[in-house]
Amino acid sequence: GQSLEQPSEVTAVEGAIVQINCTYQTSGFYGLSWYQQHDGGAPTFLSYNALDGLEETGRFSSFLSRSDSYGYLLLQELQMKDSASYFCAVRPRSDYKLSFGAGTTVTVRA
Amino acid sequence: NAGVTQTPKFQVLKTGQSMTLQCAQDMNHEYMSWYRQDPGMGLRLIHYSVGAGITDQGEVPNGYNVSRSTTEDFPLRLLSAAPSQTSVYFCASSYPSTGRLGGEQFFGPGTRLTVL
Repeated sequence: GQSLEQPSEVTAVEGAIVQINCTYQTSGFYGLSWYQQHDGGAPTFLSYNALDGLEETGRFSSFLSRSDSYGYLLLQELQMKDSASYFCAVRPRSDYKLSFGAGTTVTVRA
Repeated sequence: NAGVTQTPKFQVLKTGQSMTLQCAQDMNHEYMSWYRQDPGMGLRLIHYSVGAGITDQGEVPNGYNVSRSTTEDFPLRLLSAAPSQTSVYFCASSYPSTGRLGGEQFFGPGTRLTVL
């Protein structure tokens, strides 16, 4: 399987910026996805990077560098509702399995 | 569109019992998968399917069976429940694309299973 590493927890205050890193070990994959999961809920898709560089979707941005085996999710202007777990995931070129990291719990404080 | 639906939402089993978790999607997605999520952990792939009649094992397939007779349905069967199978189970679907569509999976609301 694929190995994806993320920090387990991040805490920040409202209005701040948080960067969640995802480092991976895989020989080849199609793209890097990010998902958000609120407590007790289902994961929901946030973003996808097929190519190196930055993808921006409102307050959230995602970045990929294949040469560095690294990506990140950037959460800007943090709001209380952003308190959730965030997962990175890759689909390797060898099959259709989507492998997830263990997730990063983001806690936003007032 | 109902999206991905799962039944039941909650289930309690005794060790050794069998049951089927149901999953259905109405988005005509060819790719469907089952994950389990344990407290504080990520999603681990149990089984997946790239189309009707085609299934394959994921990371943690032992103790589970699947079948895919239609595009819409992908049931997960627990053959003989064990306490180690206590978990939250999520079904997901997507297009079998190598691009963005393949990286975007739609998840059902989950089934919370407790095995005593």
